[in-house]
Amino acid sequence: DIVMTQSPDSLAVSLGEGATINCKSSRSLLYSAKNKNLLAWYQQKPGQPPKLLIYWASIRESGVPDRFSGSGSGTDFTLTISSLQAEDVAVYYCQQYADLPLTFGPGTKVEIK
Amino acid sequence: QVQLQESGPGLVKPSETLSLMCTISGGSVSIGTYHWSWIRQPPGKGLEWIAYLSWSGATNYNPSLKSRLTVSVDTSDNQFSLKMTSVTAADTAVYFCARGYSSDGGRLHFDFWSQGTLVTVSS
Repeated sequence: DIVMTQSPDSLAVSLGEGATINCKSSRSLLYSAKNKNLLAWYQQKPGQPPKLLIYWASIRESGVPDRFSGSGSGTDFTLTISSLQAEDVAVYYCQQYADLPLTFGPGTKVEIK
Repeated sequence: QVQLQESGPGLVKPSETLSLMCTISGGSVSIGTYHWSWIRQPPGKGLEWIAYLSWSGATNYNPSLKSRLTVSVDTSDNQFSLKMTSVTAADTAVYFCARGYSSDGGRLHFDFWSQGTLVTVSS
């Protein structure tokens, strides 16, 4: 199985400041047949299902604010929130879909400082 | 807008079978680009992919659970289902159904999710 790790486990950021979450995979997520990294990011608020933010490592899902961006390739990926808003308080998960079984990172909790 | 709604008992006894149904509205289960998945989340913990199936009935299961799982699709009712046998307390979780967009075969990211239903395994 591809093991996903995330850092930090949690972070507290002041409103309007930036937040960076890292995700690392145990194997490369670059799918050569399509030259895409098969990595997604989700946001989960309490009592809600996860919401897709980013797919193919850097493509923002329709309707997702542009303060969210994804980057990285191979085994190292980053989700950046450029200017934290109150509604961004949530747990963020990365997910690899380069190989089965599909696996998720353990999550990073983002709070307001 | 696609919506997914799961249904099924919220309490299952140990060693019995957990059965859940997911009903799709606003979209068709028969679109080949999408695969239909089950994902679970134990209380306070992370996400675990369980299985997916396509409209044609092709399936893939998480090896850690495979021996206990059956998923199936009902194209006429636009539904898909999950059965998990021999449940234990470790299977207590919120169960989500989700639509997976296929980059290629089972390489799925999930763009629509149900609200989730808590299934508790307890006598």
